[in-house]
Amino acid sequence: GAGVSQSPSNKVTEKGKDVELRCDPISGHTALYWYRQSLGQGLEFLIYFQGNSAPDKSGLPSDRFSAERTGGSVSTLTIQRTQQEDSAVYLCASSKDRQETQYFGPGTRLLVL
Amino acid sequence: DQQVKQNSPSLSVQEGRISILNCDYTNSMFDYFLWYKKYPAEGPTFLISISSIKDKNEDGRFTVFLNKSAKHLSLHIVPSQPGDSAVYFCASGTYKYIFGTGTRLKVLA
Repeated sequence: GAGVSQSPSNKVTEKGKDVELRCDPISGHTALYWYRQSLGQGLEFLIYFQGNSAPDKSGLPSDRFSAERTGGSVSTLTIQRTQQEDSAVYLCASSKDRQETQYFGPGTRLLVL
Repeated sequence: DQQVKQNSPSLSVQEGRISILNCDYTNSMFDYFLWYKKYPAEGPTFLISISSIKDKNEDGRFTVFLNKSAKHLSLHIVPSQPGDSAVYFCASGTYKYIFGTGTRLKVLA
């Protein structure tokens, strides 16, 4: 009965480097979401995938951020040319379908030096 | 511009007493609300939700109240237990959840 898993759990990188964050959703969940939580803030929606539909990218903060979801399962969030303000916890969630309860992974804590 | 606000960053309550966590929202079009609980180093866990057609939803020790005219919701935990100590987030939305900044609840034994 695996939940949502994310890797790595922690990532330290230097400003200007690219990073990839991975999310494995719950098996059978068609919807997948990425959020981030900066220090002292609430969770901020980034991007949403639903089946084979085009993703809702309306929350991505800049064009340095991108995400893909291969085969309707695993998703990768990529941040290019990282900046210090990208430091945050990046959380992935999945749900059976849109408007169903979202189940979150433990997050990836990203620190950009 | 925060659309979902939790104005109390922290709350301490004695074990066995009631915990009341508050949340305000600005958009009267919001019609679905949720509460999540988060322990350190874990992802948020769904706790309870309420639709705008209701003003109360109860699940065991947890009750959420919605006051649409005041754009306010609250989560009541009765009786509070030390294991309830966590950060509680309220959120609104159908799939793109908008979260508040959270309230850290500490239940004192």
